[in-house]
Amino acid sequence: QKEVEQDPGPLSVPEGAIVSLNCTYSNSAFQYFMWYRQYSRKGPELLMYTYSSGNKEDGRFTAQVDKSSKYISLFIRDSQPSDSATYLCAMRNTGFQKLVFGTGTRLLVSP
Amino acid sequence: EADIYQTPRYLVIGTGKKITLECSQTMGHDKMYWYQQDPGMELHLIHYSYGVNSTEKGDLSSESTVSRIRTEHFPLTLESARPSHTSQYLCASSESGSGNTIYFGEGSWLTVV
Repeated sequence: QKEVEQDPGPLSVPEGAIVSLNCTYSNSAFQYFMWYRQYSRKGPELLMYTYSSGNKEDGRFTAQVDKSSKYISLFIRDSQPSDSATYLCAMRNTGFQKLVFGTGTRLLVSP
Repeated sequence: EADIYQTPRYLVIGTGKKITLECSQTMGHDKMYWYQQDPGMELHLIHYSYGVNSTEKGDLSSESTVSRIRTEHFPLTLESARPSHTSQYLCASSESGSGNTIYFGEGSWLTVV
């Protein structure tokens, strides 16, 4: 079993939809949770960074962490075609900063 | 925005050739990393460095080697390329400290024919 599970998609939505992307994990020691956006043939770009449980909002993006369920989410409001990309969740514990990544969910937002 | 640069971005090379993928960062970050990513697959850590003269192997076994002679520079070398080395190689860096995030370069796409 992988430490981090993420549905690879693709997830297809119309422009303006609310998108929910999710990851589950098995290691209860994870404390730092990140979402990266990766366009085709580009490096991952950090979108959201959360420590421990709770919510964090940045513009159209909201990250949620539920440590009791070992479940994290990224919500995208008013989705745009430019949001079409692969979204990777990543997480790590304290100490060494090795990130464990999900496989990524490919999102397609149609005009 | 992260200032981390990788060259070449794209490389097609014959089997048996020696390759060096360059990575430089201008942020003064102590920690640097190399990840390997096949299309549609997750990232795998192949090398990391805590600082100058420090290098360690990551989770995924790799025939590549790295060096860290200067803080800003973390090149990856393949002595004899094989088709199985065809992949995307992503360099990343982060500051020291438990709360710091990792920033990635644009990636180097390697094709060995």
